[in-house]
Amino acid sequence: GAVVSQHPSRVICKSGTSVKIECRSLDFQATTMFWYRQFPKQSLMLMATSNEGSKATYEQGVEKDKFLINHASLTLSTLTVTSAHPEDSSFYICSVSQADRVATEAFFGQGTRLTVV
Amino acid sequence: GQQLNQSPQSMFIQEGEDVSMNCTSSSIFNTWLWYKQDPGEGPVLLIALYKAGELTSNGRLTAQFGITRKDSFLNISASIPSDVGIYFCAGQYGNFNKFYFGSGTKLNVKP
Repeated sequence: GAVVSQHPSRVICKSGTSVKIECRSLDFQATTMFWYRQFPKQSLMLMATSNEGSKATYEQGVEKDKFLINHASLTLSTLTVTSAHPEDSSFYICSVSQADRVATEAFFGQGTRLTVV
Repeated sequence: GQQLNQSPQSMFIQEGEDVSMNCTSSSIFNTWLWYKQDPGEGPVLLIALYKAGELTSNGRLTAQFGITRKDSFLNISASIPSDVGIYFCAGQYGNFNKFYFGSGTKLNVKP
């Protein structure tokens, strides 16, 4: 399966600052990547679909101006949490889907633990 | 997004016992995936299912894609301590190339 790398794995930032999280597809050219958010002891909630060369599409209830997504190349998508607040503290995970005519699978990065103080 | 109902929420079992968990959805899914997540890590794919009725094994793990395409189960046989973790189902529906996740099943295995 696809190898997905996220950076950083952990970040602590001050309230009001912005934080950028990178997601790289190391062995696969991904036209589409996905960003998820996971609160403690909860499931993964899909935030947005990152499309290479075009605007991201956001799930209902996710603020696009708050969570800026850029997918400038086939191997890199970035998520920027702007003007972060303590309630933005969460585990953010990206994924890459590999799809052909028969099957679709999703592979995940190791996640980024964001803590806003 | 889609709502996937996963049960049970948690399980406490003895090493060597078999385990079963399942997911149901209100929509017809094209693909079901099962993942395991360890604390502080991203989910790792265990099994992928693509056809209604499909039964697939991966070592001690067996999963099935329900006939109605609205459910799936995962069985773990002869559990061992390293099976401890949170298991998630994920489903894909329609023409969308994205997955929605169940609420997770936390598995605890007592040696």
